[in-house]
Amino acid sequence: NAGVMQNPRHLVRRRGQEARLRCSPMKGHSHVYWYRQLPEEGLKFMVYLQKENIIDESGMPKERFSAEFPKEGPSILRIQQVVRGDSAAYFCASSPSTPSTQYFGPGTRLTVL
Amino acid sequence: AQRVTQPEKLLSVFKGAPVELKCNYSYSGSPELFWYVQYSRQRLQLLLRHISRESIKGFTADLNKGETSFHLKKPFAQEEDSAMYYCARAYNQGGKLIFGQGTELSVKP
Repeated sequence: NAGVMQNPRHLVRRRGQEARLRCSPMKGHSHVYWYRQLPEEGLKFMVYLQKENIIDESGMPKERFSAEFPKEGPSILRIQQVVRGDSAAYFCASSPSTPSTQYFGPGTRLTVL
Repeated sequence: AQRVTQPEKLLSVFKGAPVELKCNYSYSGSPELFWYVQYSRQRLQLLLRHISRESIKGFTADLNKGETSFHLKKPFAQEEDSAMYYCARAYNQGGKLIFGQGTELSVKP
């Protein structure tokens, strides 16, 4: 069973562009979580999704950020009109149910120039 | 406020010495607590969770509700234990993890 996959591993964008981060959960996992890690800080929860539903988006910035987990395909975290402050590592985790252990992907490092 | 605190950013010990990585959480109900570890160039992985009461790689952690702590301990540190350690608490029936800032453990030979 392959682990949680994230791509791309590194993403460079200029200010004002859009960033799309993908997360493929482990096989059999229908729960996906996104976390952001700013430099010198711990991981901060952003959003929790089940297939086609957003369960908890209490950590998502109100503007420019959105997430989806369609019936088919990976979960997508989308950041519109990126700014330098969006530069961070974005981690995805998945679990088969909740409460349950969350398994993490390797992360996507976003750099905004 | 939902908070997990790891007061030490860096902890440096010699091989064979005891290790204690501190973690405190803000009190609210019955906490579900975890320790995650990230070795160099590897992804974050679960080390242990308080519900299972397991000892993994010689590490243990005891939940102290009176002190709202969940410190991670190992009696004899090994060089391969060098890594980033994150304490985390689950909220909303496990849907959301709140992480501490992380402690970098460095075990010197």
